[in-house]
Amino acid sequence: QSVLTQPPSASGTPGQRVTISCSGSSSNIGSNYVYWYQQLPGTAPKLLIYRNNQRPSGVPDRFSGSKSGTSASLAISGLRSEDEADYYCAAWDDSLSGHWVFGGGTKLTVL
Amino acid sequence: QITLKESGPTLVKPTQTLTLTCTFSGFSLSTSGVGVGWIRQPPGKALEWLALIYWNDDKRYSPSLKSRLTITKDTSKNQVVLTMTNMDPVDTATYYCAHSPSTTGFDYWGQGTLVTVSS
Repeated sequence: QSVLTQPPSASGTPGQRVTISCSGSSSNIGSNYVYWYQQLPGTAPKLLIYRNNQRPSGVPDRFSGSKSGTSASLAISGLRSEDEADYYCAAWDDSLSGHWVFGGGTKLTVL
Repeated sequence: QITLKESGPTLVKPTQTLTLTCTFSGFSLSTSGVGVGWIRQPPGKALEWLALIYWNDDKRYSPSLKSRLTITKDTSKNQVVLTMTNMDPVDTATYYCAHSPSTTGFDYWGQGTLVTVSS
């Protein structure tokens, strides 16, 4: 199982706001930045959020990230059909000489 | 424009060693703060980080796979090589390499290469 915990699924209707949670520990989310990736079917992951709440150029402001303690969340507002994808959180973990950890992924379905 | 592309065998036998090459352009691995990492994804499963090499040759590995992994770089060829020993069918996955500047995560990814482990 993954070091970071995400719900396996989430859903919403077009226009709705959905949130995806990511839970970790003091050695990862609690002391380092959180990153979010979007993976559309059959494609490579794409960086969606970096440093907890920063959006790379080209990512719509419908996507936002937040972090509190050892948990983080990704929020998607104004849900669109093209947002249907798998979403992964990630963070650097300071234990064992340092390494990246990923969440188990959340499959978002737009109903 | 940053691009990365993975190359290597599509099929390996159990116990064999896998060697994957990531060839990139648009950045230099001699630039301070820059790294290249490998991440894999078994069919239908989650992403799993494997290894990362930095511009200064600092290397980090997944604790659970450290004994089987080696990551190296050839700055002159713009390549990063990952070797994984003692391959097993559970290592069947799409293997991605990705550009990793400091504190920005993995911002550019290759298309991935599917490696199947089967006799």
